[in-house]
Amino acid sequence: GAVVSQHPSWVICKSGTSVKIECRSLDFQATTMFWYRQFPKQSLMLMATSNEGSKATYEQGVEKDKFLINHASLTLSTLTVTSAHPEDSSFYICSARDPDRGLYEQYFGPGTRLTVT
Amino acid sequence: EDKVVQSPLSLVVHEGDTVTLNCSYEVTNFRSLLWYKQEKKAPTFLFMLTSSGIEKKSGRLSSILDKKELFSILNITATQTGDSAIYLCAVYAGNNRKLIWGLGTSLAVNP
Repeated sequence: GAVVSQHPSWVICKSGTSVKIECRSLDFQATTMFWYRQFPKQSLMLMATSNEGSKATYEQGVEKDKFLINHASLTLSTLTVTSAHPEDSSFYICSARDPDRGLYEQYFGPGTRLTVT
Repeated sequence: EDKVVQSPLSLVVHEGDTVTLNCSYEVTNFRSLLWYKQEKKAPTFLFMLTSSGIEKKSGRLSSILDKKELFSILNITATQTGDSAIYLCAVYAGNNRKLIWGLGTSLAVNP
């Protein structure tokens, strides 16, 4: 149980285009999902907390107009990187909290590697 | 400022060795500490610790928390090449339920 999927697993796009990444909880309903990015040899950096049916809460320094988050259902959250630039190239990971398993455990998707050329 | 510090940052051992990874923290309103293993993709959950002195065990892996001294250790006995990964420690603190992540320990197990 507690499986989270992400799609796509990797994507290459041209500078200036937008990319959408999907995060799905497959066997549970996730009222809260989290979006992280990870640069090589660095730890996870929380970008935003996504709550179903409400606006996402962004961390300081993360541009909400650039990283659009939508959490329209209890099993799906999307992250759209708008007008992507090479510096946005990174590993993007989502996680979801399963309320039936407690408040603290987060289950991670497999990640999406974005390369902007 | 809340912080989580892991040591060592990297470690190279031979198969069969036992390793101990450390995670210390300074946070306000500690709630729980979590260990994750990250290979090439996203982290996979290992343990969650909330109480001092109670060892959590899963096969060759075990972990314990010391809330007085503000640290946790992750032990791996009889290491195998498949244990090679980055081990991440994260702490839930405060009222906002956010995880504060350490930088990880990169473990390489050589045959």
